[in-house]
Amino acid sequence: AQTVTQSQPEMSVQEAETVTLSCTYDTSESDYYLFWYKQPPSRQMILVIRQEAYKQQNATENRFSVNFQKAAKSFSLKISDSQLGDAAMYFCAYGQGGSEKLVFGKGTKLTVNP
Amino acid sequence: DTEVTQTPKHLVMGMTNKKSLKCEQHMGHRAMYWYKQKAKKPPELMFVYSYEKLSINESVPSRFSPECPNSSLLNLHLHALQPEDSALYLCASSHRTGWWPQHFGDGTRLSIL
Repeated sequence: AQTVTQSQPEMSVQEAETVTLSCTYDTSESDYYLFWYKQPPSRQMILVIRQEAYKQQNATENRFSVNFQKAAKSFSLKISDSQLGDAAMYFCAYGQGGSEKLVFGKGTKLTVNP
Repeated sequence: DTEVTQTPKHLVMGMTNKKSLKCEQHMGHRAMYWYKQKAKKPPELMFVYSYEKLSINESVPSRFSPECPNSSLLNLHLHALQPEDSALYLCASSHRTGWWPQHFGDGTRLSIL
């Protein structure tokens, strides 16, 4: 079974600084997708960024980028120029191609200090 | 603004009550999902509907009864719930099952007295 591990329960960053959240996963499959979801206290699960396993290029969405290391099964999220609104719980998630199930990590709570 | 709409946002009910949660999407997605999320935990999958048919039931107690009346609407009927059922209930949808990503709604915060 696939697993997703987020080893940092909590992280903090100063406003305008850069922070990296870690995620590792375990799978023997080749067709899969990786996601970072953000869940602020308002509770909506917001898709931040996605990465298809077959793509070698790291995904980027504005201030958010990933470092996808397929051989190492690592998928870290970098947030640049952190803003107060980035404070949230961040979940790393794995989706198998053709499967209904989204496998979540336990989450990392990010605090942004002014 | 979320494209998956859930109502109500908050619900308080007694253990003998019957209530329903509603989820709606107009993105043309044919897969819809119910998740349960406890505080500070990741969401846990409960049910999956594909083309209005139940495709996955993750051994959820029968006091939770899902219904998918059409491709845009997903309900979760609640009856005789227990205090441990208090949680955030999230609905999600995707283009098809196995197609990514899943888009989530705001959730319904459920409290059982």
